[in-house]
Amino acid sequence: EIVLTQSPATLSLSPGERATLSCRASQSVSSYLGWYQQKPGQAPRLLIFDASNRATGIPARFSGSGSGTDFTLTISSLEPEDFAVYYCQHGGIWPLTFGGGTKVEIK
Amino acid sequence: EVQVLESGGGLVQPGGSLRLSCAASGFTLNNYVMRWVRQAPGKGLEWVSSISYSAGSTYYADSVKGRFTISRDNSKNTLYLQMNSLRAEDTAVYYCAKCTNFYFDLWGRGTLVTVSS
Repeated sequence: EIVLTQSPATLSLSPGERATLSCRASQSVSSYLGWYQQKPGQAPRLLIFDASNRATGIPARFSGSGSGTDFTLTISSLEPEDFAVYYCQHGGIWPLTFGGGTKVEIK
Repeated sequence: EVQVLESGGGLVQPGGSLRLSCAASGFTLNNYVMRWVRQAPGKGLEWVSSISYSAGSTYYADSVKGRFTISRDNSKNTLYLQMNSLRAEDTAVYYCAKCTNFYFDLWGRGTLVTVSS
């Protein structure tokens, strides 16, 4: 089973700042890596697929990069609605697994 | 509107059974791989089960293998998760999700399953 380790666990930032979230895989997942956003009481929402492709309707301030074992989700300038928990998820090898999440909170 | 809506959650005693349903609208369930994901209170996301387009292939997490069964009724455009021999550690919000390739691109609101005596 591939283990995805997300860091940091919590990121405290102010609106307008840049957020950089990391996801590290225990073995290569090629570019089969997705990112999700989850707000309290809501279902997750797909942001990024295949490491760097934005899902439909996702603002351009969200970008993904990386391949192999190291991946990054960047939010270029935080909007108030971006404060949430973010999860990475790999594809291609069973079982599918998620990272433990990074909480982006208001500083 | 394209959406999925889960139902069937509730309180059940350890060892009991429950069947979750996921009604799809705005798209044809049969055209997509569908999956169940759960989230224990205050915890992260855990993939539970998947079913292929034709329902010819099903997959389960080790934690539920032999106890849970995923199925679909294409005539009703509905996905199911039959859960037997429930344990306290199965307590979670259960989400159904439409999938494209490896990714979960449409999620329902979830249904809460609580296993407790």
